[in-house]
Amino acid sequence: GAVVSQHPSWVICKSGTSVKIECRSLDFQATTMFWYRQFPKQSLMLMATSNEGSKATYEQGVEKDKFLINHASLTLSTLTVTSAHPEDSSFYICSAMGGKETQYFGPGTRLLVL
Amino acid sequence: AQSVTQLDSHVSVSEGTPVLLRCNYSSSYSPSLFWYVQHPNKGLQLLLKYTSAATLVKGINGFEAEFKKSETSFHLTKPSAHMSDAAEYFCVVGGVGNQFYFGTGTSLTVIP
Repeated sequence: GAVVSQHPSWVICKSGTSVKIECRSLDFQATTMFWYRQFPKQSLMLMATSNEGSKATYEQGVEKDKFLINHASLTLSTLTVTSAHPEDSSFYICSAMGGKETQYFGPGTRLLVL
Repeated sequence: AQSVTQLDSHVSVSEGTPVLLRCNYSSSYSPSLFWYVQHPNKGLQLLLKYTSAATLVKGINGFEAEFKKSETSFHLTKPSAHMSDAAEYFCVVGGVGNQFYFGTGTSLTVIP
């Protein structure tokens, strides 16, 4: 139980294009989903918290117009990197929380912007 | 406020020997504590969690951790390391609003 998937697992795109990453909770309903960014050999950095049906809460320093988050249902959240640039290249990980306290993480999406 | 300190950025052990990954936490209230493991280019997998029940928590793959309030510690242990245990390990404390506070991670190397 408590499986979270992400799609795609990795993506290469040209600078200036937009990329959408999906995060799904497969066997539970996620009232809250989180989006993280991870740089090589570093810990996870929380980007935003999203609750189903409401606007995401972004962490300080994260551009909400660049990283669009939509949490349209209890099993799906999407992160769209708009007008991507090479500095947006990173490993993006989502997590989902169904009940209390425990976050279940997706396998991550590797983004490379050329 | 919540925070986590992982005392070792890197730990090396020989296969078959015990593993100890150290974690100290700071929390203004009774914390929820977690250990996650991350293999290269993968997401995080929950090893175990403490949520104010038994202080000795058993997790998957033979790992366990003991919550010690007096020492504000939540160290992760395993009696005998396996090659497949080589990975990055994160200690996490749960905070207000379901937010997680991550340690900086400990890289475990298992020497054959």
